[in-house]
Amino acid sequence: NAGVTQTPKFQVLKTGQSMTLQCAQDMNHNSMYWYRQDPGMGLRLIYYSASEGTTDKGEVPNGYNVSRLNKREFSLRLESAAPSQTSVYFCASSLRQSQISNYGYTFGSGTRLTVV
Amino acid sequence: TQLLEQSPQFLSIQEGENLTVYCNSSSVFSSLQWYRQEPGEGPVLLVTVVTGGEVKKLKRLTFQFGDARKDSSLHITAAQPGDTGLYLCAGPSFNQAGTALIFGKGTTLSVSS
Repeated sequence: NAGVTQTPKFQVLKTGQSMTLQCAQDMNHNSMYWYRQDPGMGLRLIYYSASEGTTDKGEVPNGYNVSRLNKREFSLRLESAAPSQTSVYFCASSLRQSQISNYGYTFGSGTRLTVV
Repeated sequence: TQLLEQSPQFLSIQEGENLTVYCNSSSVFSSLQWYRQEPGEGPVLLVTVVTGGEVKKLKRLTFQFGDARKDSSLHITAAQPGDTGLYLCAGPSFNQAGTALIFGKGTTLSVSS
């Protein structure tokens, strides 16, 4: 099992460019999440999807959009990248929201994004 | 707003030493989890503690959940270089939209041989 797969692993963007970060899971999980990780700030929730067809904002959603394409895939889009969006982005999944207290998340290996 | 505070932020020790990492909050959590993250990888779940006062052991790692369910600790006995990494505590945060995990800022552990 691959678990949670994120692409690309590295990306450099110029300010104002757009891009989509891809995430796919093969564990038949219902819930998926996008976090960003910054030094001294920890992991902060950007958006999440409790189930196919639903998405909700997290702590830091400004400048981002998401699409839950199907049960497996949850993408994160930066429409006009800014240097403040330089970060490491992690996608995670869980069987369902109601069970994260017991079973937690499975994370992907991250996308390292630099905006210059 | 629920917050998880971890201490210390950084820890550098020699192989064979013991250490304890702390995760504290002013809020009550239904459970707390500990993850370990190695450079270039995503966090990996180590353990979930659910009951106040609960103690769980994973080889040389001992996890404890406070009686009031507001804090947790991770104790490593006889640390090894393979224990090097970022240790994160996390707990569920409930709001009108749903449930997600919030994370502490982590403790970076370096074990040298």
